[in-house]
Amino acid sequence: SQTIHQWPATLVQPVGSPLSLECTVEGTSNPNLYWYRQAAGRGLQLLFYSVGIGQISSEVPQNLSASRPQDRQFILSSKKLLLSDSGFYLCAWSLGTPGDHEQYFGPGTRLTVT
Amino acid sequence: SQQGEEDPQALSIQEGENATMNCSYKTSINNLQWYRQNSGRGLVHLILIRSNEREKHSGRLRVTLDTSKKSSSLLITASRAADTASYFCATGGYSGNTPLVFGKGTRLSVIA
Repeated sequence: SQTIHQWPATLVQPVGSPLSLECTVEGTSNPNLYWYRQAAGRGLQLLFYSVGIGQISSEVPQNLSASRPQDRQFILSSKKLLLSDSGFYLCAWSLGTPGDHEQYFGPGTRLTVT
Repeated sequence: SQQGEEDPQALSIQEGENATMNCSYKTSINNLQWYRQNSGRGLVHLILIRSNEREKHSGRLRVTLDTSKKSSSLLITASRAADTASYFCATGGYSGNTPLVFGKGTRLSVIA
């Protein structure tokens, strides 16, 4: 069976510090991978998605970046965090054409920028 | 851009009652999906309905899709306290490699 891992579960970082969130998927190959951000009590904002190694699509211009160094690994980074980067970050995967099949979400990372 | 929009934003019902949530969207879709999110957790996929389908069931869940009205509804029958969560609809378009677009969700509270 497939599983998706995200870490850390919670993170408190000062403004201006770097960020690295990691997501890995097990039990499947060639998944589409996604990073979302969710503000408190709000919907999901798609940040990045990837249909293959080294292929990253950015949905929202910001100070975040994403990389996919391996087939089942997706990393979200920032060189300098802003207060507005606080939120709940969710990684997800799907198979086939993006948008055509169900997505499976990780447990999320709660990021607080102070 | 936001495609699906859920209604109502919040819903509070007694255990045993039915809960109905609606989703409206603007452009043509290939499929529409519903997800549940418990507080502080990731989303869980509930059901996917294709544009050529009108109704789908899964346990106590019933989803309808009306493409002429560009709307969908999620019905949870005989609700339980454990159904308390946020429910999101997501739409998939016809363009290749276009990810799902999620709505802002309906917050359902089921009171025991």
